[in-house]
Amino acid sequence: NAGVTQTPKFRVLKTGQSMTLLCAQDMNHEYMYWYRQDPGMGLRLIHYSVGEGTTAKGEVPDGYNVSRLKKQNFLLGLESAAPSQTSVYFCASSYRLAATDTQYFGPGTRLTVL
Amino acid sequence: QQQVKQSPQSLIVQKGGISIINCAYENTAFDYFPWYQQFPGKGPALLIAIRPDVSEKKEGRFTISFNKSAKQFSLHIMDSQPGDSATYFCAAVTVQGAQKLVFGQGTRLTINP
Repeated sequence: NAGVTQTPKFRVLKTGQSMTLLCAQDMNHEYMYWYRQDPGMGLRLIHYSVGEGTTAKGEVPDGYNVSRLKKQNFLLGLESAAPSQTSVYFCASSYRLAATDTQYFGPGTRLTVL
Repeated sequence: QQQVKQSPQSLIVQKGGISIINCAYENTAFDYFPWYQQFPGKGPALLIAIRPDVSEKKEGRFTISFNKSAKQFSLHIMDSQPGDSATYFCAAVTVQGAQKLVFGQGTRLTINP
């Protein structure tokens, strides 16, 4: 099993450009999450999905959109990138709706917006 | 608004020493308290976790101490090794339609050989 994979690993954008980050998991998990990691701020939840065809806003959703057309994939889109979106983006997935369930993280995408 | 505050931001410990990282939370509705370990260029991975009705949990060299009344919890790494050098995040979990993790700011731990 590959677990949680993310593409691309690195990307540099110019302000105003758009892009899509892809997250894929092969663990048949219902729940998927997108986080951003910034120095001194830990990880913050952007959007999440509780199953195929569902999405919901997290703590910092502005400037991002998501889609979950297939259970195994969760896409994060930036329609018009801004320098404030320079960050490392992590996708995670979990199996059950339980506080004790483990979230499994992907390796991350490092995005720089110039 | 940071609901989970973590300290210190960075920590240097000699090999064989004890590493201690502290966290404090504000929301009493949290149900679970995991610690994640992150190596450079990798995603965070669950290290150890504790329920709020337990005061201590130990797994090998890693121990969580939990003080519910003070709303504080800490990670202790005994006999710290250079391979423990990583960034550590505490987190607090609620379940509101989905499992929501609120992370601390992170601690960069360096173990000197």
